[in-house]
Amino acid sequence: DIVMTQSPDSLAVSLGERATINCKSSQSVLYSSNSRNYVAWYQQKPGQPPKLLIYWASTRESGVPDRFSGSGSGTDFTLTISSLQAEDVAVYYCQQYYSTPPTFGQGTKVEIK
Amino acid sequence: EVQLVETGGGLIQPGGSLRLSCAASGFTVSTNHMSWLRQAPGKGLEWVSIIYTGDNTYYAHSVKGRFTISRDSSRNTLYLQMNNLRAEDTAVYYCASRMTTVVSPLEAYVFDIWGQGTMLTVSS
Repeated sequence: DIVMTQSPDSLAVSLGERATINCKSSQSVLYSSNSRNYVAWYQQKPGQPPKLLIYWASTRESGVPDRFSGSGSGTDFTLTISSLQAEDVAVYYCQQYYSTPPTFGQGTKVEIK
Repeated sequence: EVQLVETGGGLIQPGGSLRLSCAASGFTVSTNHMSWLRQAPGKGLEWVSIIYTGDNTYYAHSVKGRFTISRDSSRNTLYLQMNNLRAEDTAVYYCASRMTTVVSPLEAYVFDIWGQGTMLTVSS
């Protein structure tokens, strides 16, 4: 199974500042046939199910604010919140869907400093 | 409005069996690839099982041989039959799917619609 490892486990960022979460896969999740990275990012607030933010590593889901962006390729990926808002306090997960079983990172908790 | 509602969780003794249900509205379970995922208390997300529209099914290693995914088109409901339950199966169980058109089977593992979850506790 592909192991997804996120860093850091938690971070505290001031309102309006940038938050950066990293995710590393144990093997490449880039399909050469279509040049796509099979990585998604989710946001989970307490007591709620996860919400899809990003897929194909960098494609923003409809309705997701443009302060959220994804980047990376191969084995290294990043979720960036360009200007942290109070409503962004949550746990964020990366996920690979390159192979079965799909696997998730351990999560990164984002808080306000 | 598209909605998935899970039911059937509760407290069950180790070795017991339980069936979870996921009722869909505004959404057809038989024409979408449907998954179950779970989240142990205070822990991360774990995919459990998928049923494709063509009826192919796949399971996580941890549940293979004990859990069975199925659906009832007439009830527009997804199920997860869980047997020989263990303490480590304790979790919130979510049903989820991809509403956007799925081109390849792997895209079915991108989840843009989730239920609110149902809690299963396996304990004596």
